Amino acid sequence: AQSVAQPEDQVNVAEGNPLTVKCTYSVSGNPYLFWYVQYPNRGLQFLLKYITGDNLVKGSYGFEAEFNKSQTSFHLKKPSALVSDSALYFCAVRWQDSNYQLIWGAGTKLIIKP
Amino acid sequence: DGGITQSPKYLFRKEGQNVTLSCEQNLNHDAMYWYRQDPGQGLRLIYYSQIVNDFQKGDIAEGYSVSREKKESFPLTVTSAQKNPTAFYLCASSPTSGREYEQYFGPGTRLTVT
Repeated sequence: AQSVAQPEDQVNVAEGNPLTVKCTYSVSGNPYLFWYVQYPNRGLQFLLKYITGDNLVKGSYGFEAEFNKSQTSFHLKKPSALVSDSALYFCAVRWQDSNYQLIWGAGTKLIIKP
Repeated sequence: DGGITQSPKYLFRKEGQNVTLSCEQNLNHDAMYWYRQDPGQGLRLIYYSQIVNDFQKGDIAEGYSVSREKKESFPLTVTSAQKNPTAFYLCASSPTSGREYEQYFGPGTRLTVT
């Protein structure tokens, strides 16, 4: 069965420090991987995606993610966290024959402390 | 929130009443989706539609109904058969061709049923 896991419900980081939000997946065939961010009472905003090619993907607001096929992971990273990065982050995956559907992780709440 | 609008932002209903949530997109996307979001559970797919006049049940379709009479519109009706309808509802759309695989989200509708 296809699945996505975000093992941490919450991640706390001090402002200015690097941050990592973890995501692992299990799908058949080649995955298409996505990260989204959600601010309170808002819809989801697309951050970045991996479809093919370079394993390091750069996205909006200084975020990047690294696709690791052997570890089936797609961790979200940022070199220097801002307080404004505090939000809920979702990892999602689309797989071959998915009819355009995405499977979603449960979300990770990122808290950046000043 | 891209070119997707959802109305209203907040909706209050009495138990036993049907209620319809609006979703309109001007992105010319073929596919549209309805998700339900509850705290700590990520996004769960209710219904999706890949083309006008066609739609499929998602993981939690019971107690919900949809229509897709126009490409731009995908309204969701929460019926009285839905046992626990209070939630945040998100509408999304995506293309079904090309290399743009991500879904675009509306701002959401928070439904409270008492």
